Amino acid sequence: GEDVEQSLFLSVREGDSSVINCTYTDSSSTYLYWYKQEPGAGLQLLTYIFSNMDMKQDQRLTVLLNKKDKHLSLRIADTQTGDSAIYFCAEDREGAGSYQLTFGKGTKLSVIP
Amino acid sequence: DAGVIQSPRHEVTEMGQEVTLRCKPISGHDYLFWYRQTMMRGLELLIYFNNNVPIDDSGMPEDRFSAKMPNASFSTLKIQPSEPRDSAVYFCASSSTGASNTEAFFGQGTRLTVV
Repeated sequence: GEDVEQSLFLSVREGDSSVINCTYTDSSSTYLYWYKQEPGAGLQLLTYIFSNMDMKQDQRLTVLLNKKDKHLSLRIADTQTGDSAIYFCAEDREGAGSYQLTFGKGTKLSVIP
Repeated sequence: DAGVIQSPRHEVTEMGQEVTLRCKPISGHDYLFWYRQTMMRGLELLIYFNNNVPIDDSGMPEDRFSAKMPNASFSTLKIQPSEPRDSAVYFCASSSTGASNTEAFFGQGTRLTVV
């Protein structure tokens, strides 16, 4: 079956880098995603990576994909207090022919001033 | 566009009562998704619609749950009768296409508490 796993909590000091890790099981996933959920809000797409890439950088965000180990990570450089949120890793369900994502349970990032 | 709009934001109801959650997707989006978020199970897809037609409802937990989309701008998720274990945050999301690289836009969610 499909499962996406993440650690539940991460604390970092303001200005440090944060690394949030995720493992997934569906080796045929086409895209992998990172969503951010701020308190009291819905999920917002942060970034995504195509499965034939191993890295994607977007300003302070760096996504690393190790397809062999089915491991995805999100690095946030110079973490700010505004980055405090829950971060969800997600993979698409291959062959579904539509947009169906399997989400991890989320990693709550706490940024200490 | 105001984004995906859900109502109510919070709902507290007694066990056995009927609960109706509402969603207005972003105008022009052909896909609409209902998710449930709990601490234990995380975010689960319940059902999704394409052009107002339910495509996959395999995530709907029980017959007590039903969803409709009478038109392109409105969808409901109904629980009848409600039970305490239905307590969760329910999210509606919409996207313009079904392609995997299309962003799904989420509403702010409805926090349901069944006592």
